[in-house]
Amino acid sequence: EIVLTQSPGTLSLSPGERATLSCRASQSFSSSYLAWYQQKPGQAPRLLIYGASSRATGIPDRFSGSGSGTDFTLTISRLEPEDFAVYYCHQYGSSPFTFGGGTKVEIK
Amino acid sequence: QITLKESGPTLVKPTQTLTLTCTFSGFTLSTSGVGVGWIRQPPGKALEWLALIYWDDDKRYSPSLKSRLTVTKDTSKNQVVLTMTNMDPVDTATYYCAHRYNWNYFDYWGQGTLVTVSS
Repeated sequence: EIVLTQSPGTLSLSPGERATLSCRASQSFSSSYLAWYQQKPGQAPRLLIYGASSRATGIPDRFSGSGSGTDFTLTISRLEPEDFAVYYCHQYGSSPFTFGGGTKVEIK
Repeated sequence: QITLKESGPTLVKPTQTLTLTCTFSGFTLSTSGVGVGWIRQPPGKALEWLALIYWDDDKRYSPSLKSRLTVTKDTSKNQVVLTMTNMDPVDTATYYCAHRYNWNYFDYWGQGTLVTVSS
């Protein structure tokens, strides 16, 4: 099973700042199978990034993904008020499919 | 437009069996490459993948829960059913179903249903 570890657990930033979220895997896998989700309280997860770096339909270009092997990054270039939420990475290439523990991006 | 919606009991007692139904529209589970998965989230905690069923009736389960889970599909009703036996308070969570296509990510999710396990 591929374990995904996200860091930091919480990121305290101000609107307009840059956010860098990390997702590290316990073993290497194809970047084609790494996704990022955003989740707000009381809502289902929303797909942001798939294939490590491809933005899903309707996702603003301030969201970008990168990485390969065991290290992946989600970057939000300039935080908007609606971006404060919890973010999860997810590997979907091999069963069991797994999610990271999440990073909460909160307003400083 | 793809939509999914979970339904089932909001409260179950310890040791009981939970049965959840995912009713969907906008796609069919008879189309090659289509799958429906189940994911849960305890209050304040992370997402956990549970199970997945494909159009060809191939099924995958979380190893840690495999002995307690069964997933089935009713293509004619556009439904997927998840059963989880021997429920425990630690199984209290919001349960989501989600659409997957061609071995890809979960792209469409239901709104989720909160299941509380308590006597």
